[in-house]
Amino acid sequence: EVQLLESGGGLVQPGGSLRLSCAASGFTFSSYAMSWVRQAPGKGLEWVSAISGSGGSTYYADSVKGRFTISRDNSKNTLYLQMNSLRAEDTAVYYCAKAGIVPANPWVFTAWGQGTTVTVSS
Amino acid sequence: SYVLTQPPSVSVAPGKTARITCGGNNIGSKSVHWYQQKPGQAPVLVIYYDSDRPSGIPERFSGSNSGNTATLTISRVEAGDEADYYCQVWDSSSDHPDWVFGGGTKLTVL
Repeated sequence: EVQLLESGGGLVQPGGSLRLSCAASGFTFSSYAMSWVRQAPGKGLEWVSAISGSGGSTYYADSVKGRFTISRDNSKNTLYLQMNSLRAEDTAVYYCAKAGIVPANPWVFTAWGQGTTVTVSS
Repeated sequence: SYVLTQPPSVSVAPGKTARITCGGNNIGSKSVHWYQQKPGQAPVLVIYYDSDRPSGIPERFSGSNSGNTATLTISRVEAGDEADYYCQVWDSSSDHPDWVFGGGTKLTVL
């Protein structure tokens, strides 16, 4: 069974930094692309960032480009999101998600973690 | 960037059929995926590649996609189907790949 467990959320002041982690199990982690998706309070889903299975390719939504960095440690089956220069509009639940029915096609999110809450406020 | 448009809400009586639409420019040329999200829970994939169902998803859930509209159909609706539903596509038309979500539709079971 695929399991994804996020951690690292919390309250941070505007301009601050936070690092999210996502521990994965139940599948061959290094074979699959992974993503972060967020959901602001009372709002819909927004894709944030994605990374290939090897970690060699990374992608970002325009709203976070230059501020957030996605990475992974395949030896630890863990996905990360380093968030810098945080803004109030980054307040959201952040989900990690496994991408792809098969590794070669990461078009769909087949499993999601329970999410970790990030609140940016002074 | 590519835009997906969903109705904010759909209401249906128990036992009836609910249809939730997802509009996009020539969306029929893309693969559409659907997620169900109940309050306080993470999203769950219910339809992928337009009409395929993951294991464990009831046959009552089906999908179609043609022209400018994709549709999620829920037959014989039950109270437990009440949730928010999101469509999603993968778009490569810009300078970087983009996983695009619709705004979501709240399904209310009357």
